[in-house]
Amino acid sequence: SYQLTQPPSVSVSPGQTATIACSGDNLGDKYSYWYQQRPGQSPVLVIYQDIKRPSGIPERFSGSNSGNAATLTISGTQAMDEADYYCQVWDSSTVFFGGGTKLTVL
Amino acid sequence: QVQLQESGPGLVEPLQTLSLTCTVSGGSITSGTYYWSWLRQPAGKGLEYIGRIYSRRSANYNPSLESRVSISEDTSTNQISLTMTSVTAADTAVYYCARVRQQYSDAFDIWGQGTMVTVSS
Repeated sequence: SYQLTQPPSVSVSPGQTATIACSGDNLGDKYSYWYQQRPGQSPVLVIYQDIKRPSGIPERFSGSNSGNAATLTISGTQAMDEADYYCQVWDSSTVFFGGGTKLTVL
Repeated sequence: QVQLQESGPGLVEPLQTLSLTCTVSGGSITSGTYYWSWLRQPAGKGLEYIGRIYSRRSANYNPSLESRVSISEDTSTNQISLTMTSVTAADTAVYYCARVRQQYSDAFDIWGQGTMVTVSS
């Protein structure tokens, strides 16, 4: 079973940069994905293949993945970015999610 | 615009079988560039992968659930189904169906709104 670890919470001031980390053994050898889940809503894909944004996702969302860690970065964070964020990988033909990080925009 | 809509009983008794349906609109489930998947999320907790169905009706499942779950497709109704046997309270969750996009290296790019399932007598 592959383990992904995320911090339970991250806080950021509006307009600042939020960084959410996701760690796992040799994570950089796999593709990482990130999902945003606002309260009461379904998850939304914000990053795939480590660094790519689906159509409709703002440019302020970016990703990276190297070594044992993947990172989701939100530049110029807005109040609407307050949500839970989950990282995800495929390993041995199954899916693993991190425990999620609650992003609070103070 | 492809949309997914889950449906099924909101309440299931312990040790019974849970059956859910995902209706896909705006696109065909037989498109060769997409797979279809089920995931779930207990209240206040994280996401868990259940399994997916892909080319020529092959499926694979989360090893922790494999002995109890089955995913199938009905091309005549454009629906994906989930069956889970011998449910317990631990299976209480919001169940989502999601599209798996091969072009995105199998990212879950579209999700349904989810359906809440409670296992209780």
